[in-house]
Amino acid sequence: DQQVKQNSPSLSVQEGRISILNCDYTNSMFDYFLWYKKYPAEGPTFLISISSIKDKNEDGRFTVFLNKSAKHLSLHIVPSQPGDSAVYFCAASAIKTGNTPLVFGKGTRLSVIA
Amino acid sequence: DVKVTQSSRYLVKRTGEKVFLECVQDMDHENMFWYRQDPGLGLRLIYFSYDVKMKEKGDIPEGYSVSREKKERFSLILESASTNQTSMYLCASSIYTGANVLTFGAGSRLTVL
Repeated sequence: DQQVKQNSPSLSVQEGRISILNCDYTNSMFDYFLWYKKYPAEGPTFLISISSIKDKNEDGRFTVFLNKSAKHLSLHIVPSQPGDSAVYFCAASAIKTGNTPLVFGKGTRLSVIA
Repeated sequence: DVKVTQSSRYLVKRTGEKVFLECVQDMDHENMFWYRQDPGLGLRLIYFSYDVKMKEKGDIPEGYSVSREKKERFSLILESASTNQTSMYLCASSIYTGANVLTFGAGSRLTVL
């Protein structure tokens, strides 16, 4: 069963508007969450993360929000730019259980239209 | 700049061939991982290693094996390639600091005919 779910396979947004990518998780042991961005024919690159002790983390145009009670996180990109067009993966980790691999969602393909 | 290097970007192999995918990292990371990426299926963990000569099965280890004889090198082996192993293979490494923040290589696109 999927522990990290990205229910929207794709999303299209106009340049300059906000992009909101969503991620849900089922394992209550997860306490650290990451977003990765992937361009075609390249490896994923780390974008932003958030610990479960926070509900928001910002880095420039990127903000991640965490709602622990709903087991939901979202990535906001404001303003969206054509170069943001990529596949975005949500990932989760259970730091309390030790050195364990990240669990990834299936990804959301974002297209930013000029 | 930290790097994970995958030796082959594109490979074409025939069914039944033995395939080696090599990955080298220069960051002195303890942890190394092999994933495959397929459309609609996301990133799926094949094998990982927390130390030299150690290996752990991921979610989809069937048909694969790995080797980690040196800290910086993690090899993925397809003993007898099959068409359903056509995929993008991604190697990653991490240093454990409370969370496994992975650094990925550029990927190896394998086509099995």
